[in-house]
Amino acid sequence: GAGVSQSPSNKVTEKGKDVELRCDPISGHTALYWYRQSLGQGLEFLIYFQGNSAPDKSGLPSDRFSAERTGGSVSTLTIQRTQQEDSAVYLCASSPSGSYTFGSGTRLTVV
Amino acid sequence: DQQVKQNSPSLSVQEGRISILNCDYTNSMFDYFLWYKKYPAEGPTFLISISSIKDKNEDGRFTVFLNKSAKHLSLHIVPSQPGDSAVYFCAASGNSGGSNYKLTFGKGTLLTVNP
Repeated sequence: GAGVSQSPSNKVTEKGKDVELRCDPISGHTALYWYRQSLGQGLEFLIYFQGNSAPDKSGLPSDRFSAERTGGSVSTLTIQRTQQEDSAVYLCASSPSGSYTFGSGTRLTVV
Repeated sequence: DQQVKQNSPSLSVQEGRISILNCDYTNSMFDYFLWYKKYPAEGPTFLISISSIKDKNEDGRFTVFLNKSAKHLSLHIVPSQPGDSAVYFCAASGNSGGSNYKLTFGKGTLLTVNP
């Protein structure tokens, strides 16, 4: 596709359940980022993948959060034992260099 | 500790007038600045950027000004159009030409342009 694709677009889950969020970046983009936007907040950096280098995980808020990027393309963000404070819009972006192209995000609601 | 601050949560202007959105930063290592625009239910889209070696960058109706000594940047939209109504995010990077483009974002300013 022409853009960054994220799925699902919306996810409602019960507290304590695990969730997986998927990101399909633009083909050929070597850099992939995950951000999240909580209500009334700016975009908060979570994790960054660049080619075959070790990911920058410095933004992950707890060890319940993890992410993988398989084959340098698709990425999955996993949140284990979800909590209500995890409710946010999770945005993925990819980049060849410089400015990003963002996906439309996954709105996660933990009830 | 917010390193990028957008102190105005919202701004309302009349169509045809100038919109000025402001952004302040605290980290002196930031050397690359960007503005993104976001419509509801969509991801942010890149609007304009500026490197710290410049103090102004212009692209059509959009101009970004950078005042490094004040650690302040602003986005000017002239003339403003109703379609410009969106949330505008200021972002900064300490890229310095390296490959890590991790951005620090402000909380955003909701711009409403009234017809």
